[in-house]
Amino acid sequence: DVKVTQSSRYLVKRTGEKVFLECVQDMDHENMFWYRQDPGLGLRLIYFSYDVKMKEKGDIPEGYSVSREKKERFSLILESASTNQTSMYLCASSSGNTIYFGEGSWLTVV
Amino acid sequence: RKEVEQDPGPFNVPEGATVAFNCTYSNSASQSFFWYRQDCRKEPKLLMSVYSSGNEDGRFTAQLNRASQYISLLIRDSKLSDSATYLCVVPLPSSGSARQLTFGSGTQLTVLP
Repeated sequence: DVKVTQSSRYLVKRTGEKVFLECVQDMDHENMFWYRQDPGLGLRLIYFSYDVKMKEKGDIPEGYSVSREKKERFSLILESASTNQTSMYLCASSSGNTIYFGEGSWLTVV
Repeated sequence: RKEVEQDPGPFNVPEGATVAFNCTYSNSASQSFFWYRQDCRKEPKLLMSVYSSGNEDGRFTAQLNRASQYISLLIRDSKLSDSATYLCVVPLPSSGSARQLTFGSGTQLTVLP
C-alpha cells in the first residue's frame, strides 16, 4: 500500500512563527503536492513538485514555500505564520492520475 | 461555470436506502474520473475510478455520461458506515501530470439509523 506520512498531525503556532510541515512518501512517486482544505472551500492546491528540486505554484502559493531535496520528501514552509493560515494541510503523492493523501496536519495559528 | 461541480448536499438518508449524487465537469475532453471518500477529519481516500461508461464495486456504482458531461455515484443498501463526504476528481486532459487535478467541493452523506 502507498504510504504518505505527515509527521506533524496537530500544531499550534503563534503569529509570525516559521512553520515546517514535513511529508514523506514510500512509493517512489514523481509527483508530490501540498493542499489546504477549509470548510466550504474544498481542496486548494498550494504547491506541487514533479521531481527533486522542481516545484510549481498551485492556486494559492502566497505565504508559503516548499522544498524537495529528496524524491521521497516534500516540505511546506510558512515563513511567517498568520491566523488566516489556520487550516488542515494535506500532503499527497501520485504516479499518473491516482493521488494518495497523507493523514493531514491540523495547524492553528494564534 | 466551475470546472467541477457537485450536488451541494447534505444528503440524509435512512439505512438501506439507495442514494445517488452527481458531478458535472466542464472540459469535454476529460477522459478519466475519480470518486474519493473523506471521513470527518480524515484524508480523502480513493473509492472508485471511471475510465469508460462506468464501474461497479459491490454496492457502489459509478456511471459516466459523456454527452451531458457528468458522472454519478450510486450507493445501494446504504450503511451507517457510508456516512462521509464524497469528492469528485477530474484530471484535465493531456496534462501529463497529476498537477491538473480538479476537485469538487464534495457532497456530504449521512446515513441515519
